[in-house]
Amino acid sequence: KNEVEQSPQNLTAQEGEFITINCSYSVGISALHWLQQHPGGGIVSLFMLSSGKKKHGRLIATINIQEKHSSLHITASHPRDSAVYICAVIAGTGNQFYFGTGTSLTVIP
Amino acid sequence: NAGVTQTPKFRVLKTGQSMTLLCAQDMNHEYMYWYRQDPGMGLRLIHYSVGEGTTAKGEVPDGYNVSRLKKQNFLLGLESAAPSQTSVYFCASSYLGERFGEQYFGPGTRLTVT
Repeated sequence: KNEVEQSPQNLTAQEGEFITINCSYSVGISALHWLQQHPGGGIVSLFMLSSGKKKHGRLIATINIQEKHSSLHITASHPRDSAVYICAVIAGTGNQFYFGTGTSLTVIP
Repeated sequence: NAGVTQTPKFRVLKTGQSMTLLCAQDMNHEYMYWYRQDPGMGLRLIHYSVGEGTTAKGEVPDGYNVSRLKKQNFLLGLESAAPSQTSVYFCASSYLGERFGEQYFGPGTRLTVT
């Protein structure tokens, strides 16, 4: 049983395309994270959100608490966006994190 | 600020050997975490700490021990390494309070047990 499911698992896009990565979860949460893991392995936190929508540059993250679903959008994708994007949720108790297995994105010039 | 650092970056062990992975953070974070990442699986929490002198088990604690003697350091020990512990280990830290949960990750330690 996986508390966090991401789709798609793999995604290839042409430079400039609009990209959407989805995350569904089955537990009650206090917050949700989107993380980026580059080919070298380093992990960076992109967003933490508990409601609504956040935007940072070309990245937009949304969450629907009632539907237990979040999306990460990348506008005008670029080869440097190629990475694994990981969704993680903080369970309502606050001390347990559940991670998705990640979406591997490749953006072709 | 260095952020979160991990030592060593790579290590190869023989079955039965022991080692300690060191995580250090200079952001005065209360929470620290050790994860392992295996192919096809999400990050899994091994142990975590909510403050100096405290530790707690995560999802996959067996075969590991931890200590947090100083706020800035979180050590992960393998007393008798097994091939199943071949993995990439990540340390992370986060604030307590308003920004609770936003985690800062170290660069990872790639461990191979033969």
